[in-house]
Amino acid sequence: GAVVSQHPSWVICKSGTSVKIECRSLDFQATTMFWYRQFPKQSLMLMATSNEGSKATYEQGVEKDKFLINHASLTLSTLTVTSAHPEDSSFYICSAEGTGGTYNEQFFGPGTRLTVL
Amino acid sequence: QKEVEQDPGPLSVPEGAIVSLNCTYSNSAFQYFMWYRQYSRKGPELLMYTYSSGNKEDGRFTAQVDKSSKYISLFIRDSQPSDSATYLCAMSARGTSGSRLTFGEGTQLTVNP
Repeated sequence: GAVVSQHPSWVICKSGTSVKIECRSLDFQATTMFWYRQFPKQSLMLMATSNEGSKATYEQGVEKDKFLINHASLTLSTLTVTSAHPEDSSFYICSAEGTGGTYNEQFFGPGTRLTVL
Repeated sequence: QKEVEQDPGPLSVPEGAIVSLNCTYSNSAFQYFMWYRQYSRKGPELLMYTYSSGNKEDGRFTAQVDKSSKYISLFIRDSQPSDSATYLCAMSARGTSGSRLTFGEGTQLTVNP
């Protein structure tokens, strides 16, 4: 099956710093990638939809200036958490959309655990 | 009211039991219905997807969709300890490019040897 990687898998940073998370589709090209946030024992909440070569579409309530998304190529999307604060600590998961038939499956990365001190 | 409701559990069953997981939804535009399995601190992996109403079987897993009741189910037969994970239902209005998934809260399942 299709493989999506994320880097880093775990990051600890100080409050006020910025953190970049990479999402890569390893064996397929993905025009569309998605970024989710998951708090402990809660479901995945979609943050934004990222399309290669264009601006990301953010969900209501997600600060686009705080969560910068860049989808510069068909295999790489990045999420930068700017001026991170402890409340931004969460599990961030990306997915890359495959193509096929009537249903475009989303393949999920392993997630990045962000801890802001 | 959440668009997708799922009992978070936890659910604990003995090995070999039949497990029933369910979700209800309110958005009648949903056409694609998915079940994902997520192990602790990992990304979700797709188990099954169903388009519109009906049943779909894959090995020990059976997915059912009843659009008239806005109710979907996942059955796991002969459950194994390796099935212990969180199961998430997800739905979308379309299957084509850029389709947004709406997830349920997830049900935490433990299968005891």
